[in-house]
Amino acid sequence: EPEVTQTPSHQVTQMGQEVILRCVPISNHLYFYWYRQILGQKVEFLVSFYNNEISEKSEIFDDQFSVERPDGSNFTLKIRSTKLEDSAMYFCASSEGRGVTYEQYFGPGTRLTVT
Amino acid sequence: SQQGEEDPQALSIQEGENATMNCSYKTSINNLQWYRQNSGRGLVHLILIRSNEREKHSGRLRVTLDTSKKSSSLLITASRAADTASYFCATVAGNTPLVFGKGTRLSVIA
Repeated sequence: EPEVTQTPSHQVTQMGQEVILRCVPISNHLYFYWYRQILGQKVEFLVSFYNNEISEKSEIFDDQFSVERPDGSNFTLKIRSTKLEDSAMYFCASSEGRGVTYEQYFGPGTRLTVT
Repeated sequence: SQQGEEDPQALSIQEGENATMNCSYKTSINNLQWYRQNSGRGLVHLILIRSNEREKHSGRLRVTLDTSKKSSSLLITASRAADTASYFCATVAGNTPLVFGKGTRLSVIA
């Protein structure tokens, strides 16, 4: 069964460093998302991406964040200068479409630890 | 906000018993989805129920939706130790992204 994959599974970085989290969405899906979950808290939406551009973003997704689809398969989240509070599990998701009947399928997540 | 909120926050049952988790939300929605998350792992999609549906089944899972009460329930029948996980509801309104609740931590004791 097709699945969303993410790499790395765990990333440790120092405050102020740039990190790139990678995702390979399901191949026939058109919509891509990033969510994050700070330990013990809710899963929060960051950004959605369609047709090579951001379609929606939350307040969390400030200028320190960017997303890219550098080729036909990868979808990346870049954090330019990490802060301690960026420590969280980051989930990539994809869906075939948007609207009433489309499920979002999530990857296993990347645990980001900022020290 | 359209946030889904699950209750109870934690539930502990014996293997073989049924587990019922509830979710409430605040605004009109297009669909409601239930996800499972094993400790520290990814989110697994369980079931989607549309706003014009009242009940849906998938294996041992039964989901109901009451749009008049803005609530949904997830029933897991004949629970197994492997069902131990956190369960989240997430709602979609229009083309908005998923909005998750805080989840219910289910422990199934063998």
